[in-house]
Amino acid sequence: QVQLQQSGPGLVKPSQTLSLTCAISGDSVSSNSAAWNWIRQSPSRGLEWLGRTYYRSTWYKDYAVSVKSRITINPDTSKNQFSLQLNSVTPEDSAVYYCARTTPISDLDYWGQGTLVTVSS
Amino acid sequence: DIVMTQSPDSLAVSLGERATINCKSSQSVLYSSDNKHYLAWYQQKPGQPPKLLIYWASTRESGVPDRFSGSGSGTDFTLTISSLQAEDVAVYFCQQYSTTPRTFGQGTKVEIK
Repeated sequence: QVQLQQSGPGLVKPSQTLSLTCAISGDSVSSNSAAWNWIRQSPSRGLEWLGRTYYRSTWYKDYAVSVKSRITINPDTSKNQFSLQLNSVTPEDSAVYYCARTTPISDLDYWGQGTLVTVSS
Repeated sequence: DIVMTQSPDSLAVSLGERATINCKSSQSVLYSSDNKHYLAWYQQKPGQPPKLLIYWASTRESGVPDRFSGSGSGTDFTLTISSLQAEDVAVYFCQQYSTTPRTFGQGTKVEIK
């Protein structure tokens, strides 16, 4: 059974960096068939896919255009986890952030529990 | 980006009755290499992450009750709950994964009448 456990602060000041981590159990961040995603959800923007990382003999990363200049998703093979960094945050980045797995068979089949992040001074 | 539009935004259905949710994509989500529609449906209850119900437009995820079914092709898709149960009260989302970025519908809230 795959489980994703998120961690990270729930309050970030404007202009600072939002950092979250998603620890994986029951699968590997280096899997050749899975991809590891970050998604956020807010009343104003709904569900918004932010990006993913995946390993297919080398590491790949895809990012949403809306955050491409500010986002980094990194795998950590030593801890079997992946992380999200979003720079220069504003109150519009306030949302519930989720990590999730995709595979070629089904799509976002396992999700983390969600982290409510508020951007406020 | 592919825009996903759901209708209605909300609906109230009596227990045991059928609930139908529609989803329209701004372009086809048919993946030509395998002739599958890359369209998924999720259920979200308050305080929980979305739960995958249906993928490839009509394939039920393991453990999902058979009262949930998906259908459609091209750009028009439907999620049907054949006999609404109290535990089905939730918000339902469609999502396409034929192209990056993945995009979601705005959600349909299902309540008991």
